[in-house]
Amino acid sequence: IAGITQAPTSQILAAGRRMTLRCTQDMRHNAMYWYRQDLGLGLRLIHYSNTAGTTGKGEVPDGYSVSRANTDDFPLTLASAVPSQTSVYFCASSDLNRGNEQFFGPGTRLTVL
Amino acid sequence: KNQVEQSPQSLIILEGKNCTLQCNYTVSPFSNLRWYKQDTGRGPVSLTIMTFSKNTKSNGRYTATLDADTKQSSLHITASQLSDSASYICVVSRMNNAGNMLTFGGGTRLMVKP
Repeated sequence: IAGITQAPTSQILAAGRRMTLRCTQDMRHNAMYWYRQDLGLGLRLIHYSNTAGTTGKGEVPDGYSVSRANTDDFPLTLASAVPSQTSVYFCASSDLNRGNEQFFGPGTRLTVL
Repeated sequence: KNQVEQSPQSLIILEGKNCTLQCNYTVSPFSNLRWYKQDTGRGPVSLTIMTFSKNTKSNGRYTATLDADTKQSSLHITASQLSDSASYICVVSRMNNAGNMLTFGGGTRLMVKP
């Protein structure tokens, strides 16, 4: 693995179903983030984690949960998906000791019907 | 309210031409400003970071300027190439109790035509 990866690449999901988006980085970055990107809007922060074992809420956290059991992985869970959660989801990571440049994964396109 | 506004929303230019993208922000307290390039179907990638009050920085054919007094930044692309077709996102950073918080602009979608 080089950099940051996300899985799945895309997913179609029925409303009410539970879904976990996976994110893994191999850069040993301490901070990780989840964003959603919707047409015409800037990337909006859902949740973040400044270090393993801690998480925080971003701008649009409702309906989402995260965990950070170790440095490399930062899964995002939709407990009961709704159509308004149709979006492209980006995971990112950064080294807080070396500035705030965030490195983004390739994204997961999620459609909730 | 912390906001980042970009203009134009979209732009079409011919290959070889120059263009300038604008970013205005109201984020405070200001820490730094980055321009990201996002190719279709990919995540954003940082092009340059601007940290000083009046600052100009070049990265190949990309030149970014920052005027922190007027809270404006621009990204100038010289001699455009087809590979420049992408969305360009202005991101402003501020510091608060939670750390370094980013505010993203909506992006400018650039299309370079042959």
